[in-house]
Amino acid sequence: GEQVEQRPPHLSVREGDSAIIICTYTDSATAYFSWYKQEAGAGLQLLMSVLSNVDRKEEQGLTVLLNKKDKRLSLNLTAAHPGDSAVYFCAVSLMPNYNVLYFGSGTKLTVEP
Amino acid sequence: EAAVTQSPRNKVAVTGGKVTLSCNQTNNHNNMYWYRQDTGHGLRLIHYSYGAGSTEKGDIPDGYKASRPSQENFSLILELATPSQTSVYFCASGGGGSYEQYFGPGTRLTVL
Repeated sequence: GEQVEQRPPHLSVREGDSAIIICTYTDSATAYFSWYKQEAGAGLQLLMSVLSNVDRKEEQGLTVLLNKKDKRLSLNLTAAHPGDSAVYFCAVSLMPNYNVLYFGSGTKLTVEP
Repeated sequence: EAAVTQSPRNKVAVTGGKVTLSCNQTNNHNNMYWYRQDTGHGLRLIHYSYGAGSTEKGDIPDGYKASRPSQENFSLILELATPSQTSVYFCASGGGGSYEQYFGPGTRLTVL
């Protein structure tokens, strides 16, 4: 089955800096890519998702990059602020069953004032 | 208003007992999902459903059953709970022409 590796497991940045989280996957049939944010004691909040025909997507200070050749997905938080402190997960699914999401193991991001 | 709700939010059970976790969604989504989250792992899919009356096995279905009696409700059943099933369980809904999934707040289950 699909294997998703996420790094780093912990990331600490200062307010205003960028934070980059990377996921790699193994299956070339992977076709749907998403990022979730989990605040302490809460459920997962969908941040952004892309299909495999999209290489780059930007929304509200977040940038998702997809490199299909290297099977790599990244999330870039530009100008991070303390409210971005949370655990971030990538999640992918394969054709044809988009219902089955495979998650990375998470990155705990701390943004210091 | 929260669109995916779970009950109970916390549960302590004894080994060998039966546990039922409930999920309700008001998104009118066809698909619903049960995941568990353990330290060092992302979420792992246990069971999912395409609609009322349907259940499908996910990646880690052993020791769990699921029930989807209606569009809105999806239950996860542990017939004989074991300490290895101590975890945080999340329900999600999705569908409606999108691949996105929307999660509930989670249920923390402890099996003693």
